[in-house]
Formats: sequence, structure tokens, C-alpha cells
Amino acid sequence: GQNIDQPTEMTATEGAIVQINCTYQTSGFNGLFWYQQHAGEAPTFLSYNVLDGLEEKGRFSSFLSRSKGYSYLLLKELQMKDSASYLCAVSGYGQNFVFGPGTRLSVLP
Amino acid sequence: DSGVTQTPKHLITATGQRVTLRCSPRSGDLSVYWYQQSLDQGLQFLIQYYNGEERAKGNILERFSAQQFPDLHSELNLSSLELGDSALYFCASSVEEVLSTDTQYFGPGTRLTVL
Repeated sequence: GQNIDQPTEMTATEGAIVQINCTYQTSGFNGLFWYQQHAGEAPTFLSYNVLDGLEEKGRFSSFLSRSKGYSYLLLKELQMKDSASYLCAVSGYGQNFVFGPGTRLSVLP
Repeated sequence: DSGVTQTPKHLITATGQRVTLRCSPRSGDLSVYWYQQSLDQGLQFLIQYYNGEERAKGNILERFSAQQFPDLHSELNLSSLELGDSALYFCASSVEEVLSTDTQYFGPGTRLTVL
């Protein structure tokens, strides 16, 4: 089967750093994606990892360990507009693309 | 703007009815995905089409069906609607058949309310 886990909610302060974890068990692996979704809006692509290691993209970085079935999204210099849900998703076989339940991040002033 | 369009934006209907949701992918994209997102649930993958053919099936009910037409637009048909079908329905598109280096781009969604 396929299973993806993320914390349900997280809270952080403006200007701080936050790490959102994702663990997964899937059939096959073609890559792991992170999306941001504001309430009532469509998800927007943040990052993609297929090899182990860290991918940096401005204030956002994503890490992958395939042997551990683990990824995290690191957000630096948090801004109020970063308050959103962050979705971890895995591209695999069969169902092809599976999303995690999402982590709702609240950034406080 | 992702380049993916969905119509209608909102749809209100009654239980037992049938509705059709429409999606136009980004120019050049051959894959179309459909997702359902209820208030208390994450994104649930329903079905994928690639260049007119069904490629992957997720948690799609038998009351639901989809197709992709020669011009690559797609329609999701929902029939015998129930209250629990009220949700946001997203369409996404990508170039490739299998998501690897390519990602998928989401449309703005159709909010379906079943009364």
C-alpha cells in the first residue's frame, strides 16, 4: 500500500525557521514533491527531490533520504504569507501520485 | 495563473443529480489528473489520462467517470450525487505520462456543493 505522514499543524514566528517533516511508504518511487496550498486555492509547486540530499531554492529547501523514506521542507525567514498548508506528495507506480494529508502552518507576528 | 482552466468555478446541485466538470490543460501538456479535496481530507487522486487514454486510477467511485478528448481537454462526470460528494475538484496537467522531473500544474478548482 501507500502511506504518507505529516504533522497536522505547526506554528512558528515571523522571521524564524521551520522544518516540516514527511515520511512515506509507497510502491515504487519516481520522486517527492512539496506543494503549498492556501485555503480554498490550488496547490502550487515548491520543490522536487529524486536523489538523496538537499535542494535549495531561495527561502525554501527540501531534503530527501530514500533509504529512510523521509523528507523535510525547510522554510527560512518566515513571512506572514507563508501561513498555508504544505503538502508532501510522492510519484510512484500504480496510483502514480499520492499526496500526504498536509501540514497547516501558522506564522505568528 | 498556472495555464490550466476549469469550469465552472462553482456548482450547486441536489442529491441524485448528475454534473460534468471541465478542464483544459496547459498548452502542450498531454496528461490530465483529477483530484477531490473534501473539507476534512487531503487531496485524493481520482484518475489520470494521458493523450486520450486512461493511465492510472485512484480512489474513484463507480458513480464517477472521466474522459479526455482529442483536443486534450477532459471532463469528469459525477452521477447520483450524494451529500458527501461536496468538495473541491481539482484538475492538473503535466507534459509527461509519469511524473518524474516534470511536475503537475493545478487549475483553480471547481467547488461542488450538493444539497
